[in-house]
Amino acid sequence: NAGVTQTPKFQVLKTGQSMTLQCAQDMNHNSMYWYRQDPGMGLRLIYYSASEGTTDKGEVPNGYNVSRLNKREFSLRLESAAPSQTSVYFCASSGGWGTDTQYFGPGTRLTVL
Amino acid sequence: AQTVTQSQPEMSVQEAETVTLSCTYDTSENNYYLFWYKQPPSRQMILVIRQEAYKQQNATENRFSVNFQKAAKSFSLKISDSQLGDTAMYFCAFMRASGTYKYIFGTGTRLKVLA
Repeated sequence: NAGVTQTPKFQVLKTGQSMTLQCAQDMNHNSMYWYRQDPGMGLRLIYYSASEGTTDKGEVPNGYNVSRLNKREFSLRLESAAPSQTSVYFCASSGGWGTDTQYFGPGTRLTVL
Repeated sequence: AQTVTQSQPEMSVQEAETVTLSCTYDTSENNYYLFWYKQPPSRQMILVIRQEAYKQQNATENRFSVNFQKAAKSFSLKISDSQLGDTAMYFCAFMRASGTYKYIFGTGTRLKVLA
């Protein structure tokens, strides 16, 4: 039981390049989330998926898109990376909309030059 | 809108001593959840303890306990018998129990346990 997995662990991009961060969970959870963590700012929600087939914007969605591929997988795409998107990205999942505890992946450190 | 404030950016404690991390929050909700997460240097976010607002009894998990003061909107974390492995960033988080089930995180407290 791996919990929440993320790939890649590290990535360096040039301004304007695109990439997709992958997230998968094996806990049969319904809800999934993408956060970014910047120094001194805690974690901020980018997008979330309350259940398979639905996605919605969080606090800082600009510059990102998401896809809930199936119940297990939730990807985050940067279409045209900017230096302001340099951050650590976390994926999380929870049992369902209204259940409380979220379980986090190990994070992806992204640097945009 | 809900906010979560952690007013101690950094703290240190001697091994085997007790330390308390502060968290305050602002909400007009009556039902909600509060959490403490630990983030060691590995970056992994690990749930330490959770508290339901409707429960008056403070949550405890081994050496970790909370002091939940609902009227004061305060949710502090007490770590007893501190261990070197407790060195980490600690984040307080709030979640409403209805409507949008999204976490609001504080900015974190960096705790260093000294040998």
